[in-house]
Amino acid sequence: QQQVKQSPQSLIVQKGGISIINCAYENTAFDYFPWYQQFPGKGPALLIAIRPDVSEKKEGRFTISFNKSAKQFSLHIMDSQPGDSATYFCAASTLNTGNQFYFGTGTSLTVIP
Amino acid sequence: GAVVSQHPSWVICKSGTSVKIECRSLDFQATTMFWYRQFPKQSLMLMATSNEGSKATYEQGVEKDKFLINHASLTLSTLTVTSAHPEDSSFYICSPGSPTGELFFGEGSRLTVL
Repeated sequence: QQQVKQSPQSLIVQKGGISIINCAYENTAFDYFPWYQQFPGKGPALLIAIRPDVSEKKEGRFTISFNKSAKQFSLHIMDSQPGDSATYFCAASTLNTGNQFYFGTGTSLTVIP
Repeated sequence: GAVVSQHPSWVICKSGTSVKIECRSLDFQATTMFWYRQFPKQSLMLMATSNEGSKATYEQGVEKDKFLINHASLTLSTLTVTSAHPEDSSFYICSPGSPTGELFFGEGSRLTVL
């Protein structure tokens, strides 16, 4: 059973537009929800993360929206730039129980000029 | 984020040979190291968890005799792919267990087995 479901698989956005990637999880014990950005040939880099005690977290152009009752969270990239073109992974974990992370299947984002 | 050094970044080897990948945690001492594998256009799959000074714990379906993990110090863990075959070609990524519980990855090692 997939613990974290991510959509869409791929996304094409015009420069300056908003990119939205969605994730849903099953386990209500999860208490940490990070997003990772991965460029080809590189390891994933932690982009932004949220804990379930807040509904939104914003860092620059990146925002996580979190809906605890729906067990969903999403990444919004405002004013998308060609340099944002990468693969994005959501993940979920229970931070205090051994670092077991469950990853989404990834979203390939292409921002066209 | 944490600084994680992984080496080599890419390696090509002949089938049947062994390849060693090193992962160093430069920001903090890591009693735990996570090793992931990623096939093209796929997500990250946890292979094993190593603990400093003890045997690694392998995920289901991962052969412990093929993927040897050594975690001899709090800053260094190694993954050795023994008797590599073309199906072992993949992107291997390490992540030291951080004190905060967050996951920071190394740059990854691309293994190509001919």
